[in-house]
Amino acid sequence: KQEVTQIPAALSVPEGENLVLNCSFTDSAIYNLQWFRQDPGKGLTSLLLIQSSQREQTSGRLNASLDKSSGRSTLYIAASQPGDSATYLCAVLNDYKLSFGAGTTVTVRA
Amino acid sequence: EAEVAQSPRYKITEKSQAVAFWCDPISGHATLYWYRQILGQGPELLVQFQDESVVDDSQLPKDRFSAERLKGVDSTLKIQPAELGDSAMYLCASRSRVRIGNQPQHFGDGTRLSIL
Repeated sequence: KQEVTQIPAALSVPEGENLVLNCSFTDSAIYNLQWFRQDPGKGLTSLLLIQSSQREQTSGRLNASLDKSSGRSTLYIAASQPGDSATYLCAVLNDYKLSFGAGTTVTVRA
Repeated sequence: EAEVAQSPRYKITEKSQAVAFWCDPISGHATLYWYRQILGQGPELLVQFQDESVVDDSQLPKDRFSAERLKGVDSTLKIQPAELGDSAMYLCASRSRVRIGNQPQHFGDGTRLSIL
């Protein structure tokens, strides 16, 4: 069974600092890895999707890397803003099933 | 605003009652998923549909939960009878039929269920 772990569980940084969020998974036979954002009481918003053949994806201030062989992904958020405060979840797709980590809750202090 | 529509947004009910959630996926999306998310945890898959057929319901507690997608478009998830441990966020997601590796799942805003 795929196990997905996100460390740290919570993170608080001052505005302007770069964020580094980590995700690890146990089964490397994945189709893709997705990073999501979840605001309190809301659903999930897809941020980035990295296919298994790719090493990274970028969108604006967000960059995600994937090292499939070691079972790791990192989400970088440059120049954080208070609006980036949310919970960030990673999920891996294998056996046609998406397995999620518990998320990292980020607070960006103004 | 999420493109996957779910209703109701909130549901409060007493244990032993029946509850139902509705989901309308993005138009044309053949695959539909129902997830349950307990506070502080990631979502866990309950059931997956491909068109009107169930592909995976291995994690669905079938003694009390049921799901249907009769015309392969919108879907209903039902709980009867509800138990205290069912309090959670219920999320619906959909994905297009295109090759699985490069298409994300799109989520609705969920239904927050509280059992008293």
